[in-house]
Amino acid sequence: GQQVMQIPQYQHVQEGEDFTTYCNSSTTLSNIQWYKQRPGGHPVFLIQLVKSGEVKKQKRLTFQFGEAKKNSSLHITATQTTDVGTYFCAGPKDAGTYKYIFGTGTRLKVLA
Amino acid sequence: DTEVTQTPKHLVMGMTNKKSLKCEQHMGHRAMYWYKQKAKKPPELMFVYSYEKLSINESVPSRFSPECPNSSLLNLHLHALQPEDSALYLCASSQRDNYGYTFGSGTRLTVV
Repeated sequence: GQQVMQIPQYQHVQEGEDFTTYCNSSTTLSNIQWYKQRPGGHPVFLIQLVKSGEVKKQKRLTFQFGEAKKNSSLHITATQTTDVGTYFCAGPKDAGTYKYIFGTGTRLKVLA
Repeated sequence: DTEVTQTPKHLVMGMTNKKSLKCEQHMGHRAMYWYKQKAKKPPELMFVYSYEKLSINESVPSRFSPECPNSSLLNLHLHALQPEDSALYLCASSQRDNYGYTFGSGTRLTVV
């Protein structure tokens, strides 16, 4: 079945360093979403990418959707302690369905 | 109102108990979801309601029974659960497919 893998599984960075997580799907995706879950919290929607090669920015966060629409990345510039949490990508199992499969997640720790 | 409200926040139940989880949203979203999340794992889809009709059941055991009384409410009835069902149960809603989810803060369930 469809799998959505993320690497790395864990990342510890010093505050001020950059961070990148990569999301890879075994199938082509019609769109991809990114969520952040703080420790003890719930997932919070960050962004959705739809077009091949699309790049979107939110302040220090840069999201990219691969040309083949099978991979995506989230890059954080100059991490802060507030960036701590687990970042999940999610893609639809089938186009036009409500069935989103979450990636395995990348847990980010930021050392002050 | 831009929130999804879940009650209770914590629940401890015995294997012979019957309990219900409740979820409410007033954003006019027409899709509502139940997800299950084990510690350090991604959320796993359980059920999807679209326009108050059950549209997806991810082969969830019958001891979990969803209900959607109206477009704002979603319940999850629990009966004869097993200890391995202990998890964070997340409710979410979205405008429709291909839109980002708004998650509630979840019910942390412990089955003893």
